[in-house]
Amino acid sequence: GNSVTQMEGPVTLSEEAFLTINCTYTATGYPSLFWYVQYPGEGLQLLLKATKADDKGSNKGFEATYRKETTSFHLEKGSVQVSDSAVYFCALMGSNSGYALNFGKGTSLLVTP
Amino acid sequence: DAMVIQNPRYQVTQFGKPVTLSCSQTLNHNVMYWYQQKSSQAPKLLFHYYDKDFNNEADTPDNFQSRRPNTSFCFLDIRSPGLGDAAMYLCATSRVDIYEQYFGPGTRLTVT
Repeated sequence: GNSVTQMEGPVTLSEEAFLTINCTYTATGYPSLFWYVQYPGEGLQLLLKATKADDKGSNKGFEATYRKETTSFHLEKGSVQVSDSAVYFCALMGSNSGYALNFGKGTSLLVTP
Repeated sequence: DAMVIQNPRYQVTQFGKPVTLSCSQTLNHNVMYWYQQKSSQAPKLLFHYYDKDFNNEADTPDNFQSRRPNTSFCFLDIRSPGLGDAAMYLCATSRVDIYEQYFGPGTRLTVT
């Protein structure tokens, strides 16, 4: 079946540091890949997406590239801010799994001033 | 702004006492979902509606039911809540032809 594996958190970074959160997936066919962000006490917000191999999703300074050869979709940001502190979820929607999103366990990020 | 609204944001119920959580949307999306998210865990899909067609995940307990009386509203009924059902319940919507799911803020359920 489909699954997503994310790096364990929490991740603590100083403001303006470089961020990478690793995400790898297992899926049949050609899944679509997503990063969602969850701020404390809130629901999930779509951060970025990629629907086919080599696509790069980007938003608010965050980027992730769909790498089919390594089955990865790592999230990166060149310079994090305190306001980026949140939990980040990698997710996939399989091409043959209807509408279900399979989420990773989430990675908590804390950015300190 | 078009959005997904969940009421209430916080719900406290007693062990075994039925509870209903509400979700409404102004996006006019075909598909509505209910997820359960326990503390520090990933959201887990319970079921979804494609228009009026109900789709239950294989491992969703019978204790959880859902109703969608019209396009805009969807309800989650927990018939006999147990302590293990305490969680954040997230409603989401999407269009059938676009993969993005839009989430509401969630309802945090406490079972005493």
